Amino acid sequence: DGGITQSPKYLFRKEGQNVTLSCEQNLNHDAMYWYRQDPGQGLRLIYYSQIVNDFQKGDIAEGYSVSREKKESFPLTVTSAQKNPTAFYLCASSIGADRDFLRTDTQYFGPGTRLTVL
Amino acid sequence: AQSVAQPEDQVNVAEGNPLTVKCTYSVSGNPYLFWYVQYPNRGLQFLLKYITGDNLVKGSYGFEAEFNKSQTSFHLKKPSALVSDSALYFCAVRDMYDTDKLIFGTGTRLQVFP
Repeated sequence: DGGITQSPKYLFRKEGQNVTLSCEQNLNHDAMYWYRQDPGQGLRLIYYSQIVNDFQKGDIAEGYSVSREKKESFPLTVTSAQKNPTAFYLCASSIGADRDFLRTDTQYFGPGTRLTVL
Repeated sequence: AQSVAQPEDQVNVAEGNPLTVKCTYSVSGNPYLFWYVQYPNRGLQFLLKYITGDNLVKGSYGFEAEFNKSQTSFHLKKPSALVSDSALYFCAVRDMYDTDKLIFGTGTRLQVFP
């Protein structure tokens, strides 16, 4: 988990509210990712960013939004449009294909945020 | 379609016995393969990866994995299991079309009994 922090560890939200999950890294990585984890379904990619001020939708982007204004930070907002937001959310980063000459794309993960909708 | 399969939801092994967690993949070209471990309510920790070269890859905590191209497999192994190895294990392969992305399997829960 070293180098990537997520806050808060636990988050409770009422239905209809937007909530923002924080992800910060001090690894000088270009690429950052958000995943959602549900029991028995593994990890599903929500959004990812390969460079500041740019990001791409993953497999399940509906109901989520992100920003990448700084290299170190990649916050995820879970909007009220997300029908089933209760899950464990994981942030990750990697050095980025442009600088990773071996193109190994090892991703390093934060400790996660568990979101519960009440 | 690119994919990773972990055919076992759970693997049970006695402490001191060898363990194997299975992974098969389906991608075109030469795969880049990864294993991660997740302890309860924690993020994923990188264990090892295969890029090229020797088919037997050694990683953290005494784990190793064997790449088998003909069987399209990348099984995780350890000669002697510890109770503390009990966790959720994920296999992943790099997306060939978007190389910044990884494709993960659904995970295998390893339970090591004393």
